[in-house]
Amino acid sequence: RKEVEQDPGPFNVPEGATVAFNCTYSNSASQSFFWYRQDCRKEPKLLMSVYSSGNEDGRFTAQLNRASQYISLLIRDSKLSDSATYLCVVFPGGSYIPTFGRGTSLIVHP
Amino acid sequence: GAVVSQHPSRVICKSGTSVKIECRSLDFQATTMFWYRQFPKQSLMLMATSNEGSKATYEQGVEKDKFLINHASLTLSTLTVTSAHPEDSSFYICSASPTGSGNTIYFGEGSWLTVV
Repeated sequence: RKEVEQDPGPFNVPEGATVAFNCTYSNSASQSFFWYRQDCRKEPKLLMSVYSSGNEDGRFTAQLNRASQYISLLIRDSKLSDSATYLCVVFPGGSYIPTFGRGTSLIVHP
Repeated sequence: GAVVSQHPSRVICKSGTSVKIECRSLDFQATTMFWYRQFPKQSLMLMATSNEGSKATYEQGVEKDKFLINHASLTLSTLTVTSAHPEDSSFYICSASPTGSGNTIYFGEGSWLTVV
């Protein structure tokens, strides 16, 4: 089993739709979790951190489920500009080296 | 906010030549920087961890003599692709985390290398 797994997609959704991605991790001692967004041919950029209690930033909601070892990202009211690849990043417990998922591709169409 | 700058953003070189890519942390010090490679439609692959003042730590399968890493100061790490071949053509990205940032990673803009 890979350390961090994501469904590569693509998720093809219409504008205004709600879409959710999951990311599973294998190391139960993992401590820090993030979602990054990567546009085509660009570097990844931080979208949001994932806190144990869950957190929301506008249309984006991130949650952590430690029991099942996954994090999720929910995007409400999808915009065309949300089209990108969403990378899950996990820091294994005691390590400062992040592990990246392969990313989930989202395509929002008119 | 914290910024990591990478240069050059694009480079085309002839097969057999060497190319140097620079990664700078502009407003924070970074004792550790990371170098990644990303092929089209694939995930980021960690190549090596660059440590200021000491040797880099390479991931399994990454040739340290081919990908030379130098981290001579707290704000600069360089990656030199030596004797480049077409299969080395890829997107190379560096990253760094400011101390106390809670593992928040900042990426350089990336460097597109094309070896012809």
